[in-house]
Amino acid sequence: QQQVKQSPQSLIVQKGGISIINCAYENTAFDYFPWYQQFPGKGPALLIAIRPDVSEKKEGRFTISFNKSAKQFSLHIMDSQPGDSATYFCAAGNTGSARQLTFGSGTQLTVLP
Amino acid sequence: NAGVTQTPKFRVLKTGQSMTLLCAQDMNHEYMYWYRQDPGMGLRLIHYSVGEGTTAKGEVPDGYNVSRLKKQNFLLGLESAAPSQTSVYFCASSYRFGGVEQYFGPGTRLTVT
Repeated sequence: QQQVKQSPQSLIVQKGGISIINCAYENTAFDYFPWYQQFPGKGPALLIAIRPDVSEKKEGRFTISFNKSAKQFSLHIMDSQPGDSATYFCAAGNTGSARQLTFGSGTQLTVLP
Repeated sequence: NAGVTQTPKFRVLKTGQSMTLLCAQDMNHEYMYWYRQDPGMGLRLIHYSVGEGTTAKGEVPDGYNVSRLKKQNFLLGLESAAPSQTSVYFCASSYRFGGVEQYFGPGTRLTVT
């Protein structure tokens, strides 16, 4: 049962371009939506997160857009750089439930120089 | 601070063998988690713990056991390894109160032949 669906599976972007990764969730009890970044051979690390009471959150070149009614959220990477090449996972969780997270299947991003 | 550490980093097992993966954290986190990561599947929660002496099942608990005898350690055991348990295993931890971020270890790559 996949409660968080992520697309695309892979993404190739030119340096300076915009990378967009989308996620959709089913469980309306989710109240925390983080994005994790993972480099090869490393564990995932939190990149940015949003709560459902706001529609957008920006941190540097990274922005989360959140649409509560559609149960969708997306990550936008502006001015993408080769150093952004990594696998990105969206996740959804309920902060009252042992802070468990349900992860999407991941997007492998390649930024060409 | 070392953060979250995992041992071993790599392991090859034969079908039917048993082993224990060790996770340790030095951030005084109450919550700890074990995930497995498989291609195209994202991270799936195996077991988790909300405190010393307590454990609970996650999404894919079959074939695994866990123990949390000390707050800083969370052990994952495979009683009789199967090829289907070939995966990369990640441990994570988080606070009970305050920030909801999960901090991940570097992973253990396990191959069962």
